[in-house]
Amino acid sequence: DGGITQSPKYLFRKEGQNVTLSCEQNLNHDAMYWYRQDPGQGLRLIYYSQIVNDFQKGDIAEGYSVSREKKESFPLTVTSAQKNPTAFYLCASAGQGNQPQHFGDGTRLSIL
Amino acid sequence: AQTVTQSQPEMSVQEAETVTLSCTYDTSENNYYLFWYKQPPSRQMILVIRQEAYKQQNATENRFSVNFQKAAKSFSLKISDSQLGDTAMYFCAFMKHVVDNDMRFGAGTRLTVKP
Repeated sequence: DGGITQSPKYLFRKEGQNVTLSCEQNLNHDAMYWYRQDPGQGLRLIYYSQIVNDFQKGDIAEGYSVSREKKESFPLTVTSAQKNPTAFYLCASAGQGNQPQHFGDGTRLSIL
Repeated sequence: AQTVTQSQPEMSVQEAETVTLSCTYDTSENNYYLFWYKQPPSRQMILVIRQEAYKQQNATENRFSVNFQKAAKSFSLKISDSQLGDTAMYFCAFMKHVVDNDMRFGAGTRLTVKP
């Protein structure tokens, strides 16, 4: 079945450590997105990519980095510069032509 | 910039009753898209319904329907015959009619369906 796979489901980070969240899709979508969700809040856009080898900052990109080397993959790295990384992270993808975004199941990141 | 406002942080409804969730948005665009997403306790985001701004007719998907008032920039979701499985966070989202699929989300409404 086509879909978006995020891994791991739960992730723990030590202080000063970088961690990478995986997002893979087999929907042949061009666009991919990363969102952060804090308790009781909506989704805030971190980074997005419309095409391979290109990506743009969203509203809260500081402390995060991404790459888009393959159409299917859009990993998110939470760097040590992100001082409050504890949150739920959602990856999404969308086809061309103003299509709605489809979401993965999310990764919950916590600080040890 | 587009903003999306959901003024009801929490709502509850009795099973089999009808409930309406509110959403307003601010934009200078004329063509755009509006969505309602459902996020159950499993945290997966599920598309419930979609509305194109250029369409006068309100979208309907089974028990879910919208009341789209373009002049008022209002986009409410009505859930009829509420079921226990409808318990979830509901997010309203706005997308401009351009290539980048950039969506803006409201803060969400937590709906609880009571037996």
